[in-house]
Amino acid sequence: DTEVTQTPKHLVMGMTNKKSLKCEQHMGHRAMYWYKQKAKKPPELMFVYSYEKLSINESVPSRFSPECPNSSLLNLHLHALQPEDSALYLCASSQGTSMANTGELFFGEGSRLTVL
Amino acid sequence: AQKVTQAQTEISVVEKEDVTLDCVYETRDTTYYLFWYKQPPSGELVFLIRRNSFDEQNEISGRYSWNFQKSTSSFNFTITASQVVDSAVYFCALTVGGGNKLTFGTGTQLKVEL
Repeated sequence: DTEVTQTPKHLVMGMTNKKSLKCEQHMGHRAMYWYKQKAKKPPELMFVYSYEKLSINESVPSRFSPECPNSSLLNLHLHALQPEDSALYLCASSQGTSMANTGELFFGEGSRLTVL
Repeated sequence: AQKVTQAQTEISVVEKEDVTLDCVYETRDTTYYLFWYKQPPSGELVFLIRRNSFDEQNEISGRYSWNFQKSTSSFNFTITASQVVDSAVYFCALTVGGGNKLTFGTGTQLKVEL
């Protein structure tokens, strides 16, 4: 079983809805990530939090709003999404904030989002 | 800019066959890290291996082996005696320097049939 837990596993929302994706890890990792993955495509980095501070925003539209309430939790708030935002949203964590030291990312199983 | 190319979109093999997944990378940095991840149908990406640019030793882990060749900028992955449970999408990825941003290849869908 993955040690990064994402909820919900599936989400269907309309373009006017507000919803949130949640991610939790209890491995003491200091960096957490949101990736977006379209079907048959590789994951694309959206955001990185290092020590609970936003360190990377890959020019993601403001309708996606990340939040890191504490070192174990990562949220992605969704508002006024478009159908093309439908995708698998993957959360990941790493022990450190540099791949030189951290070795690997631990991924959750993802939240599959459908925007109608 | 960095780039990872996985030219094989999909590979189908019969169980017990050996299969090699190709990965070619591009970077101007001298310090970089290469990864392989497996993505089964359940969705999560599972870490398989990390290799840094200063370590060209090949590695074997059970039925898995990796061949890193800087001369050809390749980091190929071989599964020996494939099994149905190996069916998944496999991603090669690269990060440079001390960053934490992975550049993924487009992935190779491996199907192992009985």
